[in-house]
Amino acid sequence: KAGVTQTPRYLIKTRGQQVTLSCSPISGHRSVSWYQQTPGQGLQFLFEYFSETQRNKGNFPGRFSGRQFSNSRSEMNVSTLELGDSALYLCASSLGTGRGEKLFFGSGTQLSVL
Amino acid sequence: AQRVTQPEKLLSVFKGAPVELKCNYSYSGSPELFWYVQYSRQRLQLLLRHISRESIKGFTADLNKGETSFHLKKPFAQEEDSAMYYCALITGGGNKLTFGTGTQLKVEL
Repeated sequence: KAGVTQTPRYLIKTRGQQVTLSCSPISGHRSVSWYQQTPGQGLQFLFEYFSETQRNKGNFPGRFSGRQFSNSRSEMNVSTLELGDSALYLCASSLGTGRGEKLFFGSGTQLSVL
Repeated sequence: AQRVTQPEKLLSVFKGAPVELKCNYSYSGSPELFWYVQYSRQRLQLLLRHISRESIKGFTADLNKGETSFHLKKPFAQEEDSAMYYCALITGGGNKLTFGTGTQLKVEL
């Protein structure tokens, strides 16, 4: 089985631009979660989707948004980029949203905002 | 608000020595706790979870609700255990994990 696939692997953007990151979960997995990883703040939860519905949301501004498609693939979008948005964005998938599900992580998208 | 604390950024032990990676949490309800590991140039992956009470690669962790701790232990460290270890907590439904800042374990020969 293929693992969680995130594209692109690297992105360089400038302040004020917007960006879309993509995540393809493991086949059969219906839940997709997104995390931001930075040296200063560590791993922080962004949001979780299940069956095209947002189930949980972290404490990020409205510039961060996401969606999930009927095939469980997910995208996250960041508008009006700021320097502080530079981070590794990780996607994780699981079979469902039961408490304590095993998460499978992708390799991440490294976003640099100049 | 829930919080996970991993007090050590770096832990260095010799091969064959016991390992204990500390994790404390703050949450008044019934938590679900996990340890995730990231080996060099690999993806973040689940090491073990409290609910299954399993032992993976010789690691175990016991939930101590009185001390609000979930320390990770292994009796004899191996070189291949060198990695970044994250303690994580779920307090509500779904997969919203709160992670600690991680501990880098270095096993020296």
